[in-house]
Amino acid sequence: DTAVSQTPKYLVTQMGNDKSIKCEQNLGHDTMYWYKQDSKKFLKIMFSYNNKELIINETVPNRFSPKSPDKAHLNLHINSLELGDSAVYFCASSLSRGPETQYFGPGTRLLVL
Amino acid sequence: RKEVEQDPGPFNVPEGATVAFNCTYSNSASQSFFWYRQDCRKEPKLLMSVYSSGNEDGRFTAQLNRASQYISLLIRDSKLSDSATYLCVVAPFSGNTGKLIFGQGTTLQVKP
Repeated sequence: DTAVSQTPKYLVTQMGNDKSIKCEQNLGHDTMYWYKQDSKKFLKIMFSYNNKELIINETVPNRFSPKSPDKAHLNLHINSLELGDSAVYFCASSLSRGPETQYFGPGTRLLVL
Repeated sequence: RKEVEQDPGPFNVPEGATVAFNCTYSNSASQSFFWYRQDCRKEPKLLMSVYSSGNEDGRFTAQLNRASQYISLLIRDSKLSDSATYLCVVAPFSGNTGKLIFGQGTTLQVKP
């Protein structure tokens, strides 16, 4: 009965490849997020969706494309992977789009070789 | 200047010690404040919200000073299980998007 789940947990791939990370929440929340945590441990917001509508789109290369098929799912597709994309990607959700508790998934550790 | 600044530490303390972490934020219009905890190779989890009047949850006390744009977390009677990274988190005034700004985190190691 995991609240926020992500797949895969680990992803090792070559530069130039395209990959996707999937996220699902069973909390009935309206808002979902993608964060990137780099090697220096900074956790930065990338995207946020509220009821399938994009509401946050930070300065992220357009190689990154989020997709929300329904409010329980938020996927992240990355084209033409680069070495600098290596990081931990966390999905999160919150009840609504206010400044409230966010529940994080276990993270996807991406290594680009 | 970073939007949320914390001393990364590490803070190495013996069991039973009292330890305090500080955090400053740059945007005076920030509206909500939190402390999250992140264990090694795990996801962040909410530890507590921070209110203007200060709040306490067991051994943990959080305080906010809006005038100085400063947030603190005090941990009393440290346990080995308190070893983790503590993330100061600020919700800027962002048009109700749910955006959170995370500090780099302060690492705490509690030794026996």
